[in-house]
Amino acid sequence: KAGVTQTPRYLIKTRGQQVTLSCSPISGHRSVSWYQQTPGQGLQFLFEYFSETQRNKGNFPGRFSGRQFSNSRSEMNVSTLELGDSALYLCASSLAGWETQYFGPGTRLLVL
Amino acid sequence: SQQGEEDPQALSIQEGENATMNCSYKTSINNLQWYRQNSGRGLVHLILIRSNEREKHSGRLRVTLDTSKKSSSLLITASRAADTASYFCATGVVQGGSEKLVFGKGTKLTVNP
Repeated sequence: KAGVTQTPRYLIKTRGQQVTLSCSPISGHRSVSWYQQTPGQGLQFLFEYFSETQRNKGNFPGRFSGRQFSNSRSEMNVSTLELGDSALYLCASSLAGWETQYFGPGTRLLVL
Repeated sequence: SQQGEEDPQALSIQEGENATMNCSYKTSINNLQWYRQNSGRGLVHLILIRSNEREKHSGRLRVTLDTSKKSSSLLITASRAADTASYFCATGVVQGGSEKLVFGKGTKLTVNP
C-alpha cells in the first residue's frame, strides 16, 4: 500500500497570506489527523476528520481549518498567516483516530 | 496541558549500549504508543501497548506499561547509530466524548558510533 502523502513538502509565505496543505491517507483509512510541530511547543494536535466530519479539535484559533473529502483526502487551511505559524505540519491517517497512526513526511511552512 | 511527558529530554549513549526512555501520563488511557522521528521527518510507529497489557516486545524494542503508576518505558537493546532519533510516547485518551492521541515532547536519543 502507498503511504501517506503530503503536498507541498516546503512552502514559503508572507504574513497575512493564507495557505492550503493537502494530505492523502493510506487507502482504506477514514481517519485523518493534523499536527503542528515546532521546537518550542512540540507536537500539537490540530484536528481529526473521520468520514468527512471533524471529530476532534485541538486548541488552535479559528484561522486554522480543515476538511475531508469523500475519498478521505484532507486539506487544512491557515488564513492570515503569522510568523508563529512557521512549523512542520504533519498529517497522519489511521483506521481509528486513537489507534496506530501512519504519518506523512510533513509540510514545512516558513512564514516571513 | 501535556498528557505524556518523556524522560529524559535527551540521552547520549555509545553504540551497543541499551537505551531506556520513560513516559508518564496523567489520565486513564486506552493505549500507549511509541513513535520515532528522524530529524525533520514524519513519525514512524514503533509499538502499541493496550491498557490491559504489561509488556510488549518488537525486535530490539521492549515496552512496559504500569497503569497504577501511569508510566511506560521504552528499552532499545544493543543500540545502533541508526537509532539516533527523537522518540515520542502518545496516549490514546477519551477527551470531550471522543478519542484522541496525545503526544509528549519526546526524548532525543543520540547513539555515538
